Amino acid sequence: GDSVTQMEGPVTLSEEAFLTINCTYTATGYPSLFWYVQYPGEGLQLLLKATKADDKGSNKGFEATYRKETTSFHLEKGSVQVSDSAVYFCALKKAAGNKLTFGGGTRVLVKP
Amino acid sequence: DSGVTQTPKHLITATGQRVTLRCSPRSGDLSVYWYQQSLDQGLQFLIQYYNGEERAKGNILERFSAQQFPDLHSELNLSSLELGDSALYFCASSVAGGGTSTDTQYFGPGTRLTVL
Repeated sequence: GDSVTQMEGPVTLSEEAFLTINCTYTATGYPSLFWYVQYPGEGLQLLLKATKADDKGSNKGFEATYRKETTSFHLEKGSVQVSDSAVYFCALKKAAGNKLTFGGGTRVLVKP
Repeated sequence: DSGVTQTPKHLITATGQRVTLRCSPRSGDLSVYWYQQSLDQGLQFLIQYYNGEERAKGNILERFSAQQFPDLHSELNLSSLELGDSALYFCASSVAGGGTSTDTQYFGPGTRLTVL
């Protein structure tokens, strides 16, 4: 079945450091890919998405590129802030499907 | 704020009891999805309703049921509760039935259920 694998956390960084969270997926066909973020005590917020190969999703300084050849959708940010401390979830949705399939989540801690 | 509302925010109950979680989708959205977030299982899709009809089913236990009403709000009913049902339950909504690549799901803040 479909699956999403994320790097395990926690990832601890200093402010202004570069962040990368790896995400790879297994799915047939051409799924859409998403990054959701969960801030402490809050629900899931859509961060960015990409619906086809080579698409780049971007939002709030975060970027991720849909790489079909490596079945990956790695999340990057050039300069993190303390306010970026959260749990980040990679997810996929099949074009003809309904549900989101999530990775296990990666906790990011940014220290001042 | 995603526009999806969920009540209550927190729920504490005992084993064997029954509870109802409520969700109101974003204005204009016809689909409602329910997900469970637990420490051991992660985020799991439970069920989807589209315009009042069940559209897709995931890893939902037989003790759990859901429905979507004519005003499009949805309720998730959990019965004969067990300790292992303690989790964060999310509702999400989307415009369409989900069968397109551009149909994005927006999540509510969740209901934290604690079963003692």
